[in-house]
This record gives sequence, structure tokens and C-alpha cells, in this order.
Amino acid sequence: GEDVEQSLFLSVREGDSSVINCTYTDSSSTYLYWYKQEPGAGLQLLTYIFSNMDMKQDQRLTVLLNKKDKHLSLRIADTQTGDSAIYFCAERGPGGGNKLTFGTGTQLKVEL
Amino acid sequence: GAVVSQHPSRVICKSGTSVKIECRSLDFQATTMFWYRQFPKKSLMLMATSNEGSKATYEQGVEKDKFLINHASLTLSTLTVTSAHPEDSSFYICSASSRDGGELFFGEGSRLTVL
Repeated sequence: GEDVEQSLFLSVREGDSSVINCTYTDSSSTYLYWYKQEPGAGLQLLTYIFSNMDMKQDQRLTVLLNKKDKHLSLRIADTQTGDSAIYFCAERGPGGGNKLTFGTGTQLKVEL
Repeated sequence: GAVVSQHPSRVICKSGTSVKIECRSLDFQATTMFWYRQFPKKSLMLMATSNEGSKATYEQGVEKDKFLINHASLTLSTLTVTSAHPEDSSFYICSASSRDGGELFFGEGSRLTVL
């Protein structure tokens, strides 16, 4: 079955880089996503990576994918207080459609 | 960008009553919408896939008679929690896509509290 794991909590200082990690079990995942959820709000898509890529950079965000180890990470450069939120990784299986399996979520706290 | 709106954002109800939550795609047509439930400090659990003009597909363990889903049009899906109990208290989130395999857009979520 599908299982997506994340560490629960990460604390960083403003200006430092944050690295949020995610491991998954479904080797046939086609796309992997990172979503941000602010308190009491829905999910905002931050970025995604296709499974045949190993890196994607989008401004302050860098996604690394190690398909062999089924490990996905999100690096946020120059972390700001506005980045404080819960971050979810998610995977889409090979069957197409829009069904995603979400990770357990990592709460990022940015301290001054 | 595409917008998905949920209503109400917060609702409090008494045990035994039914509550309806709406999910609307404001600027695109959504053939498929998804309903999730999120417990405090937990991940999103997919409850069901809502298909326009047909019956919803429920995930294993989700009671279809308790969580009624209707997708009457290409821009509206509703989730009705029937005979609500305190354990149904949760954050419910919908998502929608304009096409199969396209980007998913999420609603703001609806917090249900059952007294």
C-alpha cells in the first residue's frame, strides 16, 4: 500500500535554509508535490516534480528527488517568518487521475 | 489562478442534526472534485471522489450513508454530514481539477464542530 512519511516538526531561524524531508513507498509514483497549509486554511500548491527528474528549482524552493531511495526533499532558501506553516508532500500514482496520497505533514516554525 | 471556494468556513451544530458543506469551482468547470478530512495535526484523508452526474466513489472505511456527496453541476459539489456526532468534528477540505491529471486546486476548508 501507499505510505508517505514526514518528520512532524522543524524549527529554523529567519534567513537560514529549511529542509523538509519526505519518504514514500510507491515506486510507481508519477508526480510528487509539495503543498503549504497556513493555519485554518486550505492547501496551496508550492511546486511539483515529475518522477523522471531529480531536481527542480523555483526561486527560493529546491526540490530534490532520490527515486532509488524514494526520498523527496524541499529546501527553502532564506526562510522568512511568512514561511511558517505546515508542509505536505503528496504523490500521484501511475493510474492517472487526480487522486493524491498525502504525507503526514511537517510543521515549520521560523524564529527571529 | 483557479479558485475553489468552500462554504461555510466554520459551522457549529448539535448532535443529531445534518450539515451541508458546499464546494464551488469559481472560474473553471470541475468534472471531478475530492473531499478530504483532516484531523488536528494529521494528514489529509481522502474520503471520496465526487464525479459530476454520477455517484461518488468512497474510500474504504468511509460511510457513504453518513457522508452524502452530490455533484450536481460542473461547478458545485456538496458534502452532507448526516446525523452528526461529536466524533465527526473535523476540518473538511475539497479539491477540484479542470481535467484529469491536471493541477488540483483546494478550497479553504470548512471546520465542523458538533456539540
